[in-house]
Amino acid sequence: GENVGLHLPTLSVQEGDNSIINCAYSNSASDYFIWYKQESGKGPQFIIDIRSNMDKRQGQRVTVLLNKTVKHLSLQIAATQPGDSAVYFCAENISGGTSYGKLTFGQGTILTVHP
Amino acid sequence: KAGVTQTPRYLIKTRGQQVTLSCSPISGHRSVSWYQQTPGQGLQFLFEYFSETQRNKGNFPGRFSGRQFSNSRSEMNVSTLELGDSALYLCASSRLAGVNEQFFGPGTRLTVL
Repeated sequence: GENVGLHLPTLSVQEGDNSIINCAYSNSASDYFIWYKQESGKGPQFIIDIRSNMDKRQGQRVTVLLNKTVKHLSLQIAATQPGDSAVYFCAENISGGTSYGKLTFGQGTILTVHP
Repeated sequence: KAGVTQTPRYLIKTRGQQVTLSCSPISGHRSVSWYQQTPGQGLQFLFEYFSETQRNKGNFPGRFSGRQFSNSRSEMNVSTLELGDSALYLCASSRLAGVNEQFFGPGTRLTVL
């Protein structure tokens, strides 16, 4: 895959378990965060986003938590399924200014779901 | 609604050549960003275009350039290719300037021999 050289963190879970993927972001000025899922041979797929005026946001089977104090972001996946197996990236952005359109990505976490 | 499309999907070039990659954003999206993905560096921002103007640029040499057309389609060009330019080049579009839910295409895999 595209990220093997980075020795990515890995998370292995059983089908049906809940998964928690963590991310430490780098810039305290970042105010917009996105989680992406990337399957082998595909581009990153948008999962969920959150702005810095929130600390929690829920989607379908996914929840993102934001802790600005410690610059930490997490993605919770409920009832994980084999189709959730992929590399998950967090990305951060500073709205406006000179950061237009620039997402800064974390290194990624490999999630493997065992049937 | 069709997603972001990128052409070609695969490309093999030799050192010293140049290459042009194309990206068609989601209909109605006016912002296009380009990223390079490699095993060693992960995903890195190249540049972003909105309304035919480059609004932001990452830390890449001048050999990497891009442009955007009036229909929001974008191209990126890499001149004088080096072995280290081998990567997956990803294009992302969003409706507005800046980020706001960037949606990615499948990428163009460039191999430089």
